[in-house]
Amino acid sequence: KAGVTQTPRYLIKTRGQQVTLSCSPISGHRSVSWYQQTPGQGLQFLFEYFSETQRNKGNFPGRFSGRQFSNSRSEMNVSTLELGDSALYLCASSSQGLAGVDEQYFGPGTRLTVT
Amino acid sequence: AQSVTQPDIHITVSEGASLELRCNYSYGATPYLFWYVQSPGQGLQLLLKYFSGDTLVQGIKGFEAEFKRSQSSFNLRKPSVHWSDAAEYFCAAIRRFGAGTRLTVKP
Repeated sequence: KAGVTQTPRYLIKTRGQQVTLSCSPISGHRSVSWYQQTPGQGLQFLFEYFSETQRNKGNFPGRFSGRQFSNSRSEMNVSTLELGDSALYLCASSSQGLAGVDEQYFGPGTRLTVT
Repeated sequence: AQSVTQPDIHITVSEGASLELRCNYSYGATPYLFWYVQSPGQGLQLLLKYFSGDTLVQGIKGFEAEFKRSQSSFNLRKPSVHWSDAAEYFCAAIRRFGAGTRLTVKP
C-alpha cells in the first residue's frame, strides 16, 4: 500500500498570503489529522477529519482551517500568514475514527517557510 | 492538565549500549500511549503502542516499552543500540505529543 502523501513538500510564502496544503491518506483510511511541528512548540494537533466532518480541533486560531473530500483526501488552509506559521505541517491517517485511539501513519510533511 | 513529558531533550549512547527513553503522562485515566521515531526530514513512524493488557509491549526495530501505572510512565527501551537508531523519539498520548528526545549514537 502506498503511504500518506503530502504536497507540496516545500513551500515559501510571504507574510499576509494564504496557503493550501494537501494530504492523501493511505487507501481505505477515513481519518486524517493535521499537526504543526516547530522547534519551539513541538508537535501540536491542529484538527482531525473523518468522513468529511471535522471531529476534533486543537487550539489554533481561525486562520487555520481544513476540509476533507469524499475520497478522504484532505486539505488544510492557512490564511493571512504570519512569520510564526513557519513550520513542518504533518498529516496523519488512520483507519478508524479517533486519531488518538488508532495508530496513525504520518506523511513526510510540508515544510512551510513564511518570509 | 493533560500532558506528556519527556524529561530528556538529548541523549547520547555508544553503539551497542542499552537505551532507555523516559516518558511520563498526566491524564485522568490511562490514555492510549504511543512511541514514534522521526528521522531528519521525515515524518513520524510508529514504533509501538499500548492500549491495555500486558504492560510490556514489543515494537519494531527491537524496541520495547513498559507501562507503569503507578509511576504514570511509559519508557522506551532497546537492549543494544545501532547507529541507525539515531533520530528523534516522541512519546504520545491521544493527540498530545511530548517534546521529543534526540538520540545521538557514538561509534
